[in-house]
Amino acid sequence: EPEVTQTPSHQVTQMGQEVILRCVPISNHLYFYWYRQILGQKVEFLVSFYNNEISEKSEIFDDQFSVERPDGSNFTLKIRSTKLEDSAMYFCASRDTSSGEQFFGPGTRLTVL
Amino acid sequence: AQRVTQPEKLLSVFKGAPVELKCNYSYSGSPELFWYVQYSRQRLQLLLRHISRESIKGFTADLNKGETSFHLKKPFAQEEDSAMYYCALRAGNQFYFGTGTSLTVIP
Repeated sequence: EPEVTQTPSHQVTQMGQEVILRCVPISNHLYFYWYRQILGQKVEFLVSFYNNEISEKSEIFDDQFSVERPDGSNFTLKIRSTKLEDSAMYFCASRDTSSGEQFFGPGTRLTVL
Repeated sequence: AQRVTQPEKLLSVFKGAPVELKCNYSYSGSPELFWYVQYSRQRLQLLLRHISRESIKGFTADLNKGETSFHLKKPFAQEEDSAMYYCALRAGNQFYFGTGTSLTVIP
């Protein structure tokens, strides 16, 4: 059964550094999402992406964040200058338009030191 | 503003007992609601959605627009139901999650 994959599983970075989190959505899906979950808190929507552009974004998704689908298979989240409070689990999801169900990746744990 | 509330952070029940995980929402439009489950060391996965009106793993959830609730129920809890449960609401192409309820089923 196809799955959403994410790399790396854990990323450690210094404050102020740029990070790129990678996701490979399920191949025939058209909607892609990024969420984050700070330890002990709820899953928070960051951004949705459709037809090669951002569909919706939350207030968390400020100018430090960007998303890209560089090659038709990968879907990346870039954080330009990481802050301590960016430490969280980041989940990618993709959606099958016929059923509307989101399929989640296993997450990338980002630790900012 | 859209909001999903799960009032119980932790819930413990004995095996074979009924279980109800509460979810309330606020949304001005016509809601589409979901329950997601995350078993230990596994990814988030869809458990059920209100528009399909189906029972998955013995769980059901009914949308009550009058009470703005979408509580998840199972008549007889099993040990394998122990997991984190998230209620979610879809508004356009955004999804709003509750804070989650950690269910422990005691053998």
